[in-house]
Parts: sequence; C-alpha cells; structure tokens
Amino acid sequence: TQLLEQSPQFLSIQEGENLTVYCNSSSVFSSLQWYRQEPGEGPVLLVTVVTGGEVKKLKRLTFQFGDARKDSSLHITAAQPGDTGLYLCAGGSYIPTFGRGTSLIVHP
Amino acid sequence: SAVISQKPSRDICQRGTSLTIQCQVDSQVTMMFWYRQQPGQSLTLIATANQGSEATYESGFVIDKFPISRPNLTFSTLTVSNMSPEDSSIYLCSAGTSGRAFARNEQFFGPGTRLTVL
Repeated sequence: TQLLEQSPQFLSIQEGENLTVYCNSSSVFSSLQWYRQEPGEGPVLLVTVVTGGEVKKLKRLTFQFGDARKDSSLHITAAQPGDTGLYLCAGGSYIPTFGRGTSLIVHP
Repeated sequence: SAVISQKPSRDICQRGTSLTIQCQVDSQVTMMFWYRQQPGQSLTLIATANQGSEATYESGFVIDKFPISRPNLTFSTLTVSNMSPEDSSIYLCSAGTSGRAFARNEQFFGPGTRLTVL
C-alpha cells in the first residue's frame, strides 16, 4: 500500500497570509491529485500533476510535483476566507490513496 | 468530468435499522467507489462498485454490513445494514471516468450523505 503523509494537519491563518501544504511518500506515483472539500460538500478536484518537477498554477494556488514523483506541495498566496476547507492529496494507480488532509481556516 | 448526485443528503436513523444510499452519475463511468469520512478527516475507501458483479471490499468492510449494487454504468447503491452509532459518518460516492481522467486516476465526488445513528 502506498502511503501519503500530509502536513500540517491544521492551519488557522489571517486573510492575506501565505501558506504551504505538503504531501510526502516513500513511493513513486504516476500521478498525484489535489482536492478541496468545503463543509457539506464532496471533494472537488483542483489539479493533477504527472511529470516530475512539474509546476501548475491555479490563480493564487501553486502546485508542485517533486522531481522524483514522491512528493508534492500546494502553496497559496494571499489566502482569502473563500480558501477555507479541507485540502486532500491523493495518488496511486487504479484506486488512489488519500492523505490525511489539511484543514485550513482563513480568518477575515 | 462527471456530475454525481446522492440521495438522501442526510438522515437520522435508529439503531438496528438499515439505510440505502443512492448514487447517480450523469454519464457512463468506468469506476465507482464508496467512501466513509468523519467530518474534517480524510476518506476511507469502503469498496469498489463493479458493474454486473460483486463489489470489491477493502479490509475491515464486509458485504453483509455494506451490501453494494451497481446495475449499470451510471448508478450504484450502498446499504448500511443493522446500524449502530459507530456507523454515524459521511458516506461519499465517487466515479472515475474514462479516457485521460481515468488514466490519471482522477475521481469526481458526490456531495455526500450525512448519517446519524441514534
């Protein structure tokens, strides 16, 4: 079983601050996904990274896949209250493994 | 992508009863999954719903407790049987579509069913 360690587990920050969430494993992944889940909703796919060293940007969110395809990071610039939610990384073939999640609260 | 709906969105049930959750996808999909989630925590895979055959269950989950049906490529049900308060959780249905999304292991989720067992 491929395991994904996600950190930090909780983040509580003020609007305008920057933050980074990490997703690490000892296994190599063919692809890795990041999802965001808001209360009362299911997870929504944000991005998939597939190439080692790949960087993808989604407005104020920057996703990076490690060169060895064992880790990934999500960086949010100038966080806003609308960024509040549970961020999940997932990876693996056929049936993805999910990280424990990072619960982010952005205070206005 | 795929749009997924679930019914019911929430329910409060008595101990010992059963609840069936329905999952409908707006297009034919290759894979369908059922997850359980405690609020604010990660997802635990219950089983993969296979079209036309028995579901594939993960360790710790059994068919007698969580029978699953998948009669076609757009619909699945999960039943939580003989419920106890420990079954209180959010139950999520997801689908993996075909083509590039499937090759990249992307999943699309329903909004979830929040179950409380008294």
